[in-house]
Amino acid sequence: AQRVTQPEKLLSVFKGAPVELKCNYSYSGSPELFWYVQYSRQRLQLLLRHISRESIKGFTADLNKGETSFHLKKPFAQEEDSAMYYCALRAFGNEKLTFGTGTRLTIIP
Amino acid sequence: DTGVSQDPRHKITKRGQNVTFRCDPISEHNRLYWYRQTLGQGPEFLTYFQNEAQLEKSRLLSDRFSAERPKGSFSTLEIQRTEQGDSAMYLCASSLEKGLAKNIQYFGAGTRLSVL
Repeated sequence: AQRVTQPEKLLSVFKGAPVELKCNYSYSGSPELFWYVQYSRQRLQLLLRHISRESIKGFTADLNKGETSFHLKKPFAQEEDSAMYYCALRAFGNEKLTFGTGTRLTIIP
Repeated sequence: DTGVSQDPRHKITKRGQNVTFRCDPISEHNRLYWYRQTLGQGPEFLTYFQNEAQLEKSRLLSDRFSAERPKGSFSTLEIQRTEQGDSAMYLCASSLEKGLAKNIQYFGAGTRLSVL
């Protein structure tokens, strides 16, 4: 069975500082990894997926199969980045998403 | 609003009562998912439909839970004889089966259930 671990429940970063939200997974096959974000009073929405290999709102994430990680990074934090971030995995041939427990990111002005 | 719609947004019920939630997916999406989220946890998969067929159910979905999608459009999730442990946010998501947006799940705002 697959598992997603987000070791930090809370993360506070000063505005303008770099951000890294950690995500590790356990899965023996070839996964598809996602980052979802939930801003205050909004629904869960996709931030980015590893197969797109794109930067969204300045965030990037690289799938590292050797370390089984998919950390989310942004070089310069902005106040509007404050939100709850969830890492999720979809196993090959399976449609469900397995989520981590989430990291609440707070950007300090 | 053309996103995933869930109704009601909040439901308070007494233990032992039955409750039913509705989800309307994005109109062209043929896949529909139900998740449950409790405090401090990420969403946990419950079940999913492709058109009207229920293709997977989690072990979390006890006999008291049933989900339907009779015409391949909206879906309902019913919980019979509710227990306090059923208190959670119930999330619905939908996705396309094919195309560039395949496997991107779009979530509704959720139905928050409180069992007293």
